[in-house]
Amino acid sequence: DAGVIQSPRHEVTEMGQEVTLRCKPISGHNSLFWYRQTMMRGLELLIYFNNNVPIDDSGMPEDRFSAKMPNASFSTLKIQPSEPRDSAVYFCASSYRTSGGGYTFGSGTRLTVV
Amino acid sequence: AQRVTQPEKLLSVFKGAPVELKCNYSYSGSPELFWYVQYSRQRLQLLLRHISRESIKGFTADLNKGETSFHLKKPFAQEEDSAMYYCALSQGGKLIFGQGTELSVKP
Repeated sequence: DAGVIQSPRHEVTEMGQEVTLRCKPISGHNSLFWYRQTMMRGLELLIYFNNNVPIDDSGMPEDRFSAKMPNASFSTLKIQPSEPRDSAVYFCASSYRTSGGGYTFGSGTRLTVV
Repeated sequence: AQRVTQPEKLLSVFKGAPVELKCNYSYSGSPELFWYVQYSRQRLQLLLRHISRESIKGFTADLNKGETSFHLKKPFAQEEDSAMYYCALSQGGKLIFGQGTELSVKP
């Protein structure tokens, strides 16, 4: 298994543009998580899905952020419009159960909004 | 509210010295706790979980419910241990992470 796959690895965009981050979880995992990592705030959970259904999106900072999981093998995190303060590393993680099991993280997408 | 606290942002030790990375948590039920490690610009990896009571790469962590702590320890640090270490608490199907501690092991 190639693990959790995220794309792109790096994204540089101008303020106001739409950004879409993609994630392919490990096959068979039924939970998917989106985290944001910054120096100031560390790792913040943005949203997580269980069996493709959003369970908790309380960490999504603003309406500019949205996430979807149309099927068990794909999820997107969209920021529209993007702002410089959105610059961070965005990690996707998946697990085969919602508790007791560790997460497998992707390599992350480093987003820079200029 | 459930919370994970790692009081040290940076811990610097010399090779061969003992290491203790502190983690305290607040949780009303029976906690499930984990340590994750992130080597430079790499993905986070699960290091160990308290239910397994395992030792990985020489690291151990014991859950102390009385002190609500889950400190990570290693008797003799190696240079390759230099990384970011995150303590995490599983709650309602999601992991809550501490702020992380950067461990720097000097030769």
